Amino acid sequence: RKEVEQDPGPFNVPEGATVAFNCTYSNSASQSFFWYRQDCRKEPKLLMSVYSSGNEDGRFTAQLNRASQYISLLIRDSKLSDSATYLCAVTHSSNTGKLIFGQGTTLQVKP
Amino acid sequence: NAGVTQTPKFQVLKTGQSMTLQCAQDMNHEYMSWYRQDPGMGLRLIHYSVGAGITDQGEVPNGYNVSRSTTEDFPLRLLSAAPSQTSVYFCASSRQGRTGNNSPLHFGNGTRLTVT
Repeated sequence: RKEVEQDPGPFNVPEGATVAFNCTYSNSASQSFFWYRQDCRKEPKLLMSVYSSGNEDGRFTAQLNRASQYISLLIRDSKLSDSATYLCAVTHSSNTGKLIFGQGTTLQVKP
Repeated sequence: NAGVTQTPKFQVLKTGQSMTLQCAQDMNHEYMSWYRQDPGMGLRLIHYSVGAGITDQGEVPNGYNVSRSTTEDFPLRLLSAAPSQTSVYFCASSRQGRTGNNSPLHFGNGTRLTVT
């Protein structure tokens, strides 16, 4: 079982829809949490960090539930350009930056 | 400021051949790592380094060696390539963050390796 798990999807949604992804992690010592976005055949890029109190960046909202050991990403008013793979990542050491990634969730936004 | 530079972009090897994937960063980041990405498996950590002279194993280290003689460079060596090592390889770097505030990873463009 992977330390970080995601539903691979794909999620097919129409433009304007709201879509949510969850990511579970098994190590209760995990300290930092991130969502990365990866476009086809490109390198992953940081979308947003996930803070304990939850955080928002425009149409994107990230939340952390330490008790249930999952993080979530909510995308409101989906755009065609949101089509990508979304990877969650966790680290359970504050000093190494050693990130463990989930499998990624593929989102296809259709017109 | 080039960020993280990986070479080569593409490589085809025969089984049993050796090669080194190069990775360099010019951001003075302490932390560097190598991942491989396979369909349905996401990114899996191969090896990582928290500074020059220090390396450690990740999730899937077998068949790969690394060294970190300088802060800038973190090469990945395949000593005897196998078809199971066909993958896309990403190098990444980041600053060392304070507790609970790790800086994000910056990735290179990737190396697409095929072993026949």
